[in-house]
Amino acid sequence: QSALTQPPSASGSPGQSVTISCTGTSSDVGGYNFVSWYQHHPGKAPKLLIYEVTKRPSGVPDRFSGSKSGNTASLTVSGLQAEDESDYYCSSYAGSNKGVFGGGTKLTVL
Amino acid sequence: ELQLVESGGGLVQPGGSLRLSCAASGFTFSTYWMQWVRQAPGKGLVWVSRIDGDGSGTSYADSVKGRFTISRDNAKNTLYLQMNSLRAEDTAVYYCAREGRYYYYAMDAWGQGTTVTVSS
Repeated sequence: QSALTQPPSASGSPGQSVTISCTGTSSDVGGYNFVSWYQHHPGKAPKLLIYEVTKRPSGVPDRFSGSKSGNTASLTVSGLQAEDESDYYCSSYAGSNKGVFGGGTKLTVL
Repeated sequence: ELQLVESGGGLVQPGGSLRLSCAASGFTFSTYWMQWVRQAPGKGLVWVSRIDGDGSGTSYADSVKGRFTISRDNAKNTLYLQMNSLRAEDTAVYYCAREGRYYYYAMDAWGQGTTVTVSS
């Protein structure tokens, strides 16, 4: 169960869009449409942003969107706002009733 | 209001044991799969374990398999993680999380976490 690969950092100015990648293998990201994304402010509970690659739970702004191509999933944050500055994690079903997370990406709003 | 409240963390020596609890409220606990996720200091989130609604199906990360046991008491609306043979690398904040009813392997509610420190 190797962690999914995310860039350690990403940044953008207010109003811009930023995309965070999440690369796995055909045994996890590429093999199932069960990729989810979380926002995690240190010291707080993580928050689900995206599930099943592209779906948003009720209450999550449509500025957050997800996609997948092959073994790589992506989270795009459009119209960046100061409060989007946080850590972001991807996660995927990895078969055999196991899950796997990415290493996390720290998003800075410049 | 939906709540998940972890407890039971603390300082334990290598080789020791600890049992974490997660008290759930505000939803029908028995109808949801539950998970444990941990975060070591300065590191990312790591999936630990999962249990189905009636407790009959469980799964574990390779790093904890054979040492940790996930269980639940639906009458008490409580999730547990029994941790044995603890190692320094188990030091982390442990979160319990609810797997969304229609979100396979996506967790739509999380607790605030409980801290486990394994050190002599």
